[in-house]
Amino acid sequence: KAGVTQTPRYLIKTRGQQVTLSCSPISGHRSVSWYQQTPGQGLQFLFEYFSETQRNKGNFPGRFSGRQFSNSRSEMNVSTLELGDSALYLCASSPDGMYYNEQFFGPGTRLTVL
Amino acid sequence: SQQGEEDPQALSIQEGENATMNCSYKTSINNLQWYRQNSGRGLVHLILIRSNEREKHSGRLRVTLDTSKKSSSLLITASRAADTASYFCATVLELGGANSKLTFGKGITLSVRP
Repeated sequence: KAGVTQTPRYLIKTRGQQVTLSCSPISGHRSVSWYQQTPGQGLQFLFEYFSETQRNKGNFPGRFSGRQFSNSRSEMNVSTLELGDSALYLCASSPDGMYYNEQFFGPGTRLTVL
Repeated sequence: SQQGEEDPQALSIQEGENATMNCSYKTSINNLQWYRQNSGRGLVHLILIRSNEREKHSGRLRVTLDTSKKSSSLLITASRAADTASYFCATVLELGGANSKLTFGKGITLSVRP
């Protein structure tokens, strides 16, 4: 099976812009989770989608949003970008979610906000 | 604050030696997961141990869980240079139904010298 893929791999934006990141889970996986990784805050959970519904949400402002499509592919959107949004954004998929089984991570999207 | 706190923050050992990493957490959990990350890339799942389990093995990896002490340890035996990476523990807290909260620790940097 193909692994989790994320596009784009690298992205440079300026403050105030918005960005959309994409994640394609492993075939058959219904859960997709998103994480932000920074040197200062480490790995932080953004949200989880399961069968097109947001099931869990971390403590991020409303500028961070996501959605999941019927084929389980997921997108994450960040509006009004701030310098502090520069990070590695990781998505992970699993058959039923973190509560039940391990997650498989994609390579990440490195976002730089100038 | 982080739910999972790893210890030590950094570990440097000689190839062939064993590496022991610890993780402590604050609240009751459903399961605890260990991940490895190589140089800012995606995370690789190592082991998932549920709250009713005390020990699990996978190849050269051994994970223990002590829920009374709210701690877990990851032992890598006969380490290799390729084990050089950052290791994270992640705790999964059940919030009800399939709703869960996953929290990562700050990570441990393991260096294995050839």
